[in-house]
Amino acid sequence: QVQLQESGPGLVKPSGTLSLTCSVSGVSISDNNWWTWVRQPPGGGLEWIADIFHTGSTDYNPSLKSRVTISLDKAKNHFSLKLTSVTAADTAVYYCARSPSRVAGFDFWGQGTLVTVSS
Amino acid sequence: SYVLTQPPSESVAPGESARVTCGGNNIVSKSVHWYQQKPGQAPVLVIYYDSDRPSGIPERFSGSNSGNTATLTISRVEAGDEADYYCQVWDSSSDQFVFGAGTKVTVL
Repeated sequence: QVQLQESGPGLVKPSGTLSLTCSVSGVSISDNNWWTWVRQPPGGGLEWIADIFHTGSTDYNPSLKSRVTISLDKAKNHFSLKLTSVTAADTAVYYCARSPSRVAGFDFWGQGTLVTVSS
Repeated sequence: SYVLTQPPSESVAPGESARVTCGGNNIVSKSVHWYQQKPGQAPVLVIYYDSDRPSGIPERFSGSNSGNTATLTISRVEAGDEADYYCQVWDSSSDQFVFGAGTKVTVL
């Protein structure tokens, strides 16, 4: 059974960097899957942030691209998200998810982690 | 970039059918996926590739895609179906995953 688990600080100061990790179990991160970050502000909808293929190929939401980096760590079987220069607008529940291909849906999700941007 | 349009809300009586629409330019040319999200929980995939159901999803959930509109249909609605529902596609022209804004389904 594929399982994903987000981890990272729940509080980040404005202008700081948000760093999250998604630990994957039940499947190798080196397999043919797309690994994705999605966020949801309080009371809001889902927003795709970025994705990465096992080869290292990446896609970014244009609205966040200048501030976002997604990366893989095959040795640890996890992938990570960094979002720089955060503001209160980046406060959200951050989810990691898997898609078997770009045109398939996200079939496995982490439980989500709330990140609050506040001083 | 590609835009998916969903109605903000839909109300339905128990036992009736709920239909949630997802509009997009020539959406029939894309694979549409649907997620159910209950309060405080992660989204769950309920329909993929327009009309396929993952294992464990009741047959009451079905999907269709034609022209500029994809539709999620929930037959014989139950109280436990009350949730937010999101449609999603991959837009190959901009290399982006796109979500609709979500529809809150309320069971009366």
